[in-house]
Amino acid sequence: SYEVTQSLSVSVAPGQTARIACGGNNIGGKNVHWYQQKPGQAPILVIYRDVNRPSGIPERFSGSNSGNSATLTISNAQVGDEADYYCQLWDNNWVFGGGTKLTVL
Amino acid sequence: DVQLLESGGGLVKPGGSLRLSCAASGFTFSDYSINWVRQAPGRGLEWVSSISTSSRYIYYADSVKGRFTLARDNAKNSLYLQMTSLRANDTALYYCVREAKDGDDGFDMWGQGTLVTVSS
Repeated sequence: SYEVTQSLSVSVAPGQTARIACGGNNIGGKNVHWYQQKPGQAPILVIYRDVNRPSGIPERFSGSNSGNSATLTISNAQVGDEADYYCQLWDNNWVFGGGTKLTVL
Repeated sequence: DVQLLESGGGLVKPGGSLRLSCAASGFTFSDYSINWVRQAPGRGLEWVSSISTSSRYIYYADSVKGRFTLARDNAKNSLYLQMTSLRANDTALYYCVREAKDGDDGFDMWGQGTLVTVSS
């Protein structure tokens, strides 16, 4: 089965840019989706098909995907962006990364 | 309101069975593939199963294959997950999740989840 790797945690200061990576063999050839999950809440979709933002998601959230790594970028990170972030893709079945905890302090 | 509402969770002994339901409202249920995703306490997201609009295609994670059965009733806007031979590591919050309509665009709507606890 396809393996997807995410670092456990990322920490940035408010106003800085946070980059959260999702690694996998030739992941650039797949569509990658990203979810934000705050404590006690269900996940929400923040990026779909690598680079697209659903309505209501701030422009500060962007995505990229090439080679063996997909990246979620959060510009001007805010305390309210603190959450767990998961990447996801389809490879015969749906696959989630293990999640990255973003701390903004 | 546009929503997915899960029910049926609870405490069950190892080896027991449980049936989860998901009631959809506010959108045309029959137009969407639906999934179950679970999250064990303090852990990440794990995809469990998916069913296509007409039930033609049903997929299961290896961890539940042969034990869980997914079905839908489009006339009732409802989804059902029959879980048998439950194990301690099936303990999790189970989310009912809608796939975006246009192919591989991720999961665009999540319920709030129903908690399944497998313990003696």
